[in-house]
Amino acid sequence: GAVVSQHPSRVICKSGTSVKIECRSLDFQATTMFWYRQFPKKSLMLMATSNEGSKATYEQGVEKDKFLINHASLTLSTLTVTSAHPEDSSFYICSARDQGLAGVGPFTDTQYFGPGTRLTVL
Amino acid sequence: GQQLNQSPQSMFIQEGEDVSMNCTSSSIFNTWLWYKQDPGEGPVLLIALYKAGELTSNGRLTAQFGITRKDSFLNISASIPSDVGIYFCAGLQGAQKLVFGQGTRLTINP
Repeated sequence: GAVVSQHPSRVICKSGTSVKIECRSLDFQATTMFWYRQFPKKSLMLMATSNEGSKATYEQGVEKDKFLINHASLTLSTLTVTSAHPEDSSFYICSARDQGLAGVGPFTDTQYFGPGTRLTVL
Repeated sequence: GQQLNQSPQSMFIQEGEDVSMNCTSSSIFNTWLWYKQDPGEGPVLLIALYKAGELTSNGRLTAQFGITRKDSFLNISASIPSDVGIYFCAGLQGAQKLVFGQGTRLTINP
C-alpha cells in the first residue's frame, strides 16, 4: 500500500512554545490530507481537512489559530501547534487521500495514515 | 459527530480461532474501509470496499460491503498473535471525510 510518513514521531516541548509536525505522502500525490487527534483508547477525531493550495477546513470546536495547517505541495502538509499547553498533549495522526491516477488502473479512493506523532507539553 | 456502530468493542479469543466484527450505520456510505492500529502507531489499511455486496479478501482477512451500503463485516480466520490490536471500520460518503467506528480491541490468548 501507499506510504505516508510523519515527523517527528514524538516531541516534548515546554508550555508556550510552538511545534510543527510534517506529513508526507511518499509514493503518491495527495491533494487532500487530514489531521486527526486521538485520545487514549478512543477512536480518531478529525481536526481539519487540508487541501493543497487552499485554506484548511476545520471541524467544529477546533481553533484554527491554534492549529495552523499548511498544504504547500501535493506531498506535504504541516500542522503547527502554536503556544502549546499541557492540554494539547496528545497523539496526532495525519492521513492522505489516494484517488489513484485518472483512467489508470482500478478505481481507488482511500486514505493512508501516517505513523503518528506523540506530543507532550510540559 | 456522526459515528459508525462497531461491535463488539472487545474480543478475547484463543489463538487459531476465527474472528468476526461488524459495523452498521443509519446512513449510506460509498466506500467502507477497514484499518488495524497497533499501540503507538497510525492505522494501517487492511481492506477497501467500493461496491455494495462486494466481498474482498486479503490473506486471512475477508470483508464485505453490505448490499444496503449501511453495513460491513470483517472476518479473520485462524487468528495468530500478531493479529492483536484495535480494528476500526470507516465509511466514506460523498464528502471526503471518513466516519469511524469506535474500534474493536482484539486480544489473543496463546
